[in-house]
Amino acid sequence: DAKTTQPPSMDCAEGRAANLPCNHSTISGNEYVYWYRQIHSQGPQYIIHGLKNNETNEMASLIITEDRKSSTLILPHATLRDTAVYYCIVSRGAGGTSYGKLTFGQGTILTVHP
Amino acid sequence: GAGVSQSPSNKVTEKGKDVELRCDPISGHTALYWYRQRLGQGLEFLIYFQGNSAPDKSGLPSDRFSAERTGESVSTLTIQRTQQEDSAVYLCASSHEIAFWTGENIQYFGAGTRLSVL
Repeated sequence: DAKTTQPPSMDCAEGRAANLPCNHSTISGNEYVYWYRQIHSQGPQYIIHGLKNNETNEMASLIITEDRKSSTLILPHATLRDTAVYYCIVSRGAGGTSYGKLTFGQGTILTVHP
Repeated sequence: GAGVSQSPSNKVTEKGKDVELRCDPISGHTALYWYRQRLGQGLEFLIYFQGNSAPDKSGLPSDRFSAERTGESVSTLTIQRTQQEDSAVYLCASSHEIAFWTGENIQYFGAGTRLSVL
């Protein structure tokens, strides 16, 4: 699976948009970009995923660059409860062996402050 | 509906003892994963079950670690002769069968079992 690079930490004011970047320059054509987050002492929580197109759901938006080498997770109106570690993961698609397992890096610690 | 359930939530054991950790996946999910998370670290993949296929054991760190799954339901992760370096949170995740053509796979995680080896 392609490696990802994320900033170790970011701050955001409550009510503002949080934009979390991720670089995945070696991503291959059938690999998806997934975002998960982990709130302290809990298991990871799925947020959103995408292949080529931008995606939006009730939690967040995912913007993937045209060359697919980077992406940005957007939390449109961050709250204190969004304070967590955010993981950007690239996972191989069909055709490979053992596809489906997720490789978690260190992620970005997002701190939302009042 | 019910999420992924893991038990116990906490386990303290003495070095050299065997421990068994349990995972109840979301009903209908055919894929099940075990991960380990050491303090302050990211998740390490351990093992993956998909339906009746042979499990992917490539992440198990040693032969002291083993896992079983009964059909498409409960899984147990067993650690024999525990060592202090086994101390970690053990996380279980489940997902629907991986989409054959696209490989899309959304995993849902339990809260984990915190294992402390004294």
